[in-house]
Amino acid sequence: QSALTQPASVSGSPGQSVTISCTGTSSDVGGYNYVSWYQQHPGKAPKLMIYEVSNRPSGVSNRFSGSKSGNTASLTISGLQAEDEADYYCSSYTSSSSNVFGTGTKVTVL
Amino acid sequence: EVQLVESGGGLVQPGGSLRLSCAASGFTFSNYWMHWVRQAPGKGLVWVSHINSDGSSTNYADSVKGRFTISRDNAKNTLYLQMNSLRAEDTAVYYCARGIYYNGLDPWGQGTLVAVSS
Repeated sequence: QSALTQPASVSGSPGQSVTISCTGTSSDVGGYNYVSWYQQHPGKAPKLMIYEVSNRPSGVSNRFSGSKSGNTASLTISGLQAEDEADYYCSSYTSSSSNVFGTGTKVTVL
Repeated sequence: EVQLVESGGGLVQPGGSLRLSCAASGFTFSNYWMHWVRQAPGKGLVWVSHINSDGSSTNYADSVKGRFTISRDNAKNTLYLQMNSLRAEDTAVYYCARGIYYNGLDPWGQGTLVAVSS
């Protein structure tokens, strides 16, 4: 199972919005509404930010939102804050009844 | 508080074996699927394996199939990963995580480092 494709990095100024894409195939992202997103700060464990494409777990800021179109899912961070600087990974359920992660995106707050 | 704590990592020679454990607390362990995910130094997350709530169904990434075995003891609230025939490319921090909804993983443990080297 090949990793989902994400941009290596995105950046934005405080208050701006950034969007991270996550491209897969019809066997993963495009075939199921089971895409999740994770935030990982350096040296820390990942944290679930979005599940089932667009749902936020309790406690996650509503500045984080998810969507999907075809084989590409997206995570948008609105009102960018310094604390949002981290690595972000998407993940999808697959037709092999497994999970696959994206390549990861480093978000930099300018 | 929902908590996962991994243990069992360390330095092992190529071809060797290691068993990781993940102790769960703060939730009804037997109700949830569980996962192992690894992250090589400076690299991204890679899903390794999952097991269903009663241990009757498992799945593995192709890279570890036939070498790693996931299991669980619901009486002890503990998840395991038996790793055999270890290779240098298995060097990584190994995280356990609880499966929620359909493919959400939450929370994650703090991770345990496995280093395969001679």
